[in-house]
Amino acid sequence: QVRLVQSGAEVKKPGASVKVSCQAFGYSFSSYSIHWVRQAPGQGLEWMGIINPRGGTTTYAQRLQGRVSMTRDTSTSTVYMELSSLRFEDTAVYYCLRRSVDSIVAFDIGGQGTMVTVSS
Amino acid sequence: QSALTQPPSASGSPGQSVTFSCTGTSSDVGGYNYVSWYKHHPGKAPQLLIYEVNKRPSGVPDRFSGSKSGNTASLTVSGLQAEDEADYYCNSYAGSDRYVFGTGTKVTVL
Repeated sequence: QVRLVQSGAEVKKPGASVKVSCQAFGYSFSSYSIHWVRQAPGQGLEWMGIINPRGGTTTYAQRLQGRVSMTRDTSTSTVYMELSSLRFEDTAVYYCLRRSVDSIVAFDIGGQGTMVTVSS
Repeated sequence: QSALTQPPSASGSPGQSVTFSCTGTSSDVGGYNYVSWYKHHPGKAPQLLIYEVNKRPSGVPDRFSGSKSGNTASLTVSGLQAEDEADYYCNSYAGSDRYVFGTGTKVTVL
């Protein structure tokens, strides 16, 4: 069964970093890019960036450039999203989404979401 | 990259149709036929409904249809059902391997 399984909820202090994992099951890990998307409480979806598991190449949303880093471990079919210098407004549910089988510019399968709370 | 503009809400009675828009610029919606639409319940992963403006993945009912004119894309939900009540987001490719979401539309079935 194709699925993405994310790591559990995190609580961090402002200025700290958080690293969220997303492990892929049931398909060829290297064949599909993974996007990261987040939703802050009461807000809409925000695209954060994309990683190509084959070569590890990444592209990040400009407003997060410098604070976000996406990596992958092909041995465990896992991608990671690390966000540094956390701010209160980074409190959100973070999702990893796989590139769609039908289109390279859409996403189909998503993880269950990881709640990251930034609190002092 | 600014979020694409969607109306905050839309509503209709069961069986009716509802259409809502997604307005961007020539750098995103207008520049590519790469608009996709997602149904979203907070706390769950977004569900793909439409990709590349008007194509439906297998398993998505043909009640969902998409279109685009210039810098504005639209999603139509025909034959509204109670289960269609959710938040809907458009997404567009914006060049240089970047993407942008719409502001979201909350659909209510009256």
